[in-house]
Amino acid sequence: SSELTQDPAVSVALGQTVRITCQGDSLRSYYASWYQQKPGQAPVLVIYGKNNRPSGIPDRFSGSSSGNTASLTITGAQAEDEADYYCNSRDSSGNHLRVFGGGTKLTVL
Amino acid sequence: EVQLVESGGGLVQPGRSLRLSCTASGFTFGDYAMSWFRQAPGKGLEWVGFIRSKAYGGTTEYAASVKGRFTISRDDSKSIAYLQMNSLKTEDTAVYYCTRYYYDSRMGVDDIWGQGTMVTVSS
Repeated sequence: SSELTQDPAVSVALGQTVRITCQGDSLRSYYASWYQQKPGQAPVLVIYGKNNRPSGIPDRFSGSSSGNTASLTITGAQAEDEADYYCNSRDSSGNHLRVFGGGTKLTVL
Repeated sequence: EVQLVESGGGLVQPGRSLRLSCTASGFTFGDYAMSWFRQAPGKGLEWVGFIRSKAYGGTTEYAASVKGRFTISRDDSKSIAYLQMNSLKTEDTAVYYCTRYYYDSRMGVDDIWGQGTMVTVSS
């Protein structure tokens, strides 16, 4: 079972803005990281920390956090953004365990 | 190019063992912690465990589902991380990924992922 909660599915019209959320107690202490996974491929880090993008990730991806909720926002969604998105953080126990959300399937209409 | 390549997956019977390898290139392997994740067919990602760099003791942490059965180790001279899996169960069937792991007091980040290796546990 996941200790971070994500909506199973979200859809967005091409070019519009979509927010994917992640909730959990650990997010009060630790930032979430966000990973994009397309079918048959390995996950790719898209957002980490307060709001950091790895090299090569488009600036339409951004992150934010408030209380026990972290959000991934895609501003101007593109067809290639259709994928599963997972949030992840360190466990709030402080023992370096990790917790995942169950994933959100993003459909770009 | 920074890269991780997993190997060693395959079909194994329940109760048997298997060792996965993760070969790193393009960065100073010994400076980083390394993690393992898995993903059962059609399911989400699951954290398996990680190993700290030698500078931080090279110690390990594991998910409850694998603790006592799986062991992570590293050979910095070869830039390889290992996942030794013993007493395998059918529910261990998954694609296994290794990652380069960075952490501090506010976050844990897996910035580089391998392509994954499939492990099937079946009689």
